[in-house]
Amino acid sequence: KNEVEQSPQNLTAQEGEFITINCSYSVGISALHWLQQHPGGGIVSLFMLSSGKKKHGRLIATINIQEKHSSLHITASHPRDSAVYICAVDTGNQFYFGTGTSLTVIP
Amino acid sequence: NAGVMQNPRHLVRRRGQEARLRCSPMKGHSHVYWYRQLPEEGLKFMVYLQKENIIDESGMPKERFSAEFPKEGPSILRIQQVVRGDSAAYFCASSPQTGYFQETQYFGPGTRLLVL
Repeated sequence: KNEVEQSPQNLTAQEGEFITINCSYSVGISALHWLQQHPGGGIVSLFMLSSGKKKHGRLIATINIQEKHSSLHITASHPRDSAVYICAVDTGNQFYFGTGTSLTVIP
Repeated sequence: NAGVMQNPRHLVRRRGQEARLRCSPMKGHSHVYWYRQLPEEGLKFMVYLQKENIIDESGMPKERFSAEFPKEGPSILRIQQVVRGDSAAYFCASSPQTGYFQETQYFGPGTRLLVL
């Protein structure tokens, strides 16, 4: 079993839809990160969380430490949001990645 | 302020050759991380380095792989005697301060290695 599980694996949405990507982990963590990998392969770090909620533009990330769960939300989705979203956790001496959620937003 | 730079962007090697991947961190960053993304798989951590020190190489294959981050110049990920299974995208990231993901990491564009 992977230390980090993401769902869904693939997601197709219409432009404007509200999108949620989930991440569950099975290890104790000191921080959780959401990354975005564009079709060309480039990776951008979106959020680093250790508790609560963060917001940046149309992106919102939440984490529930007790439930070992995090969500990434995209409001008013746009075709340029199409990418792979990767959840990563840092245990303090090791870190693990989810296999990613491939998001396609259709105009 | 230039971002993290990696070169080459694409590298083709025949089995048995050596591959050298270079990573120049962002200006002011002294921490470098290497990751590998195998086809159809997610990112995996390989090694974390500070200037002249390897902090954590727990993700590095035990043989053929090595990494360095000298006092001057880029970080180098070296793969000796490459095999087809080494074909992957190799990403470098840098951060200004403390290790692992305690600071936001800035990723380079990656080097795509193809072993024929």
